[in-house]
Amino acid sequence: GAVVSQHPSWVICKSGTSVKIECRSLDFQATTMFWYRQFPKQSLMLMATSNEGSKATYEQGVEKDKFLINHASLTLSTLTVTSAHPEDSSFYICSAGDRGTGELFFGEGSRLTVL
Amino acid sequence: DAKTTQPTSMDCAEGRAANLPCNHSTISGNEYVYWYRQIHSQGPQYIIHGLKNNETNEMASLIITEDRKSSTLILPHATLRDTAVYYCIVSLIQGAQKLVFGQGTRLTINP
Repeated sequence: GAVVSQHPSWVICKSGTSVKIECRSLDFQATTMFWYRQFPKQSLMLMATSNEGSKATYEQGVEKDKFLINHASLTLSTLTVTSAHPEDSSFYICSAGDRGTGELFFGEGSRLTVL
Repeated sequence: DAKTTQPTSMDCAEGRAANLPCNHSTISGNEYVYWYRQIHSQGPQYIIHGLKNNETNEMASLIITEDRKSSTLILPHATLRDTAVYYCIVSLIQGAQKLVFGQGTRLTINP
């Protein structure tokens, strides 16, 4: 089946640095990708919708200058956590919609730990 | 999208059928019912979805009541690997769309 790959799967960084997480659709084109954040023992929270070739749409309460999203191609969206702080430590998950079939697939998630 | 209500947690014996309920009393006529599950520290996995009729695939069965206000996900022969958080989601659009996750049901399969 279709696969969505996230990289890195886990990352540890120092407070104040920026971290980029990639979300790739490996065998399909994705016009739209979605980014979620999940804190321990909580559900997934939708952060933003990433549209190829246009600006991302952020959910209420999500700082667009803090979480930069770029969807430059039909197979890649990136989430950059700028000036990361310990409270940004979380599990970040992306999903991608198959442009052809309309099916939705989730990545395996990226765990960010900010020291 | 309509809101869903699920029990916080459930237990089931290995080899037995696991029946996970979901209430979606405010569902509208063109909203689909989706089920996903999330095994610890992994991304969500699609299980099944339906609109009105009951559905079955290799993973599970989905029973939707006639008034569509509730549904039940059935794992016919639960195994230890089915231990996960199960999410019932109602969504207007079929296919690639943003899904709003509730708290889900933490299902534990016991040996």
